[in-house]
This record gives sequence, C-alpha cells and structure tokens, in this order.
Amino acid sequence: DVQMTQSPSYLAASPGESVSISCKASNSINSYLAWYQEKPGKTNKLLIYSGSTLQSGIPSRFSGSGSGTDFTLTIRSLEPEDFAVYYCQQHNEYPFTFGSGTKLEIK
Amino acid sequence: EVQLQQSGPELRRPGSSVKLSCKASGYSITDYLMHWVKHRPEHGLEWIGWIDPEDGETKYAQKFQSKATLTADTSSNTAYMQLSSLTSEDTATYFCARNGGYPYYVMDAWGQGASVTVSS
Repeated sequence: DVQMTQSPSYLAASPGESVSISCKASNSINSYLAWYQEKPGKTNKLLIYSGSTLQSGIPSRFSGSGSGTDFTLTIRSLEPEDFAVYYCQQHNEYPFTFGSGTKLEIK
Repeated sequence: EVQLQQSGPELRRPGSSVKLSCKASGYSITDYLMHWVKHRPEHGLEWIGWIDPEDGETKYAQKFQSKATLTADTSSNTAYMQLSSLTSEDTATYFCARNGGYPYYVMDAWGQGASVTVSS
C-alpha cells in the first residue's frame, strides 16, 4: 500500500497569513493526490484533486502543487473559516490511502 | 443540493454484525460510485471500498474484504455497508462518500459519519 506522510501534524497561523502543508507518498502516485478539509459539525469537503485541480466552489486562495511523491497544499491569506483539519489522499492506485491529517489552528 | 444522510450511532457486542445506511438526496445514486471510509483518531482515515449502485459492482481494500459488504437499494436511493464479526478494532466512525470526479477516485460529498462502538 502507498503510505502517505503528512506534515506538519499541527500548524498555528493568523488570519491573513499563508501556510503550506506537505504530503509525501512512499512511491510515485503521478499527480493523483486530493486534499480534503474537515471541520466540526460539517461534512468533509473536497478541495483539490489530481494534485492541482480546484474543486468547483472552492476559493482560489487554496492551491495544490506537486507530482510523483511530493505534494503541497497552500492556503493564501487565511480566512477564519479555514482553520480546520486537512487530509491528503492518493487516488492513483488501490487501496486509496490518506495522510494522517494536519490541524490548522488560529495563533 | 447533494446530501448523504447516514444512520445513527450503533452499539454492538463482539461477534455480532451491524448494517449502516447512507441515504442520498439531490442526485441519483446510480449515477456515481459510493465509497465507504473508516475513521479512528489513532489510525486516521482508511478506505474500505466502493460500490457502483447501478450494477452492484464492488471493489474492496484487501483488509476489509471479509469484514465489509457493500450494497445499494436504488429504489430508496440508499447505500448500505454491513460489518460482520465485530471486534473492538471495528469501533470507529464510518463515512459514506460520493465519488465525484470520474475517472478520478475522489470523494466530493460526504455523509456526516456513523459511530459504531463494539463492546461487551
């Protein structure tokens, strides 16, 4: 199975700042990586898939990059609603696997 | 609006089984695959498998092959997952999630999760 290593597991930032979250795959997943947002009381939200394709309705301050084994989710100019837990997921091969999550908190 | 409404929390004895439901609204379940995902805080998210409600085709992660059974009832627009021979390792929150980006296997709508507790 492809192991997904996400870092950091915890991140504190202030509104208006930009942050990046890393996701590394144990072997190449081409560009098939998705990012999700988890917030209390809400259902999980797909942000990005295929490495850099923004899901419909997701603000452009979210962006994804990378290919092969190294990927990054960047959030520019953090808004209060962006403080949440973020997961990556490889969708290149079975079984699909997830990173362990990054909790983004307000500093 | 696409919504996936999952069944409520379940408490089961070890060795028993449980069947979780996921009722879709806002779209026809025959138009999209449905994934199921397991979440335990100390183990993160694990993909269980998907079902194509149109023809009943399923694909499972190997570790869940003998644990989970995915089905769907198109007349009620509902997907189901049965978990058998429950152990404490099955205590978790289970999510259904629509596969949204064919041909990509990503989950563009999620249920709210269903908690399963296995305890004697």
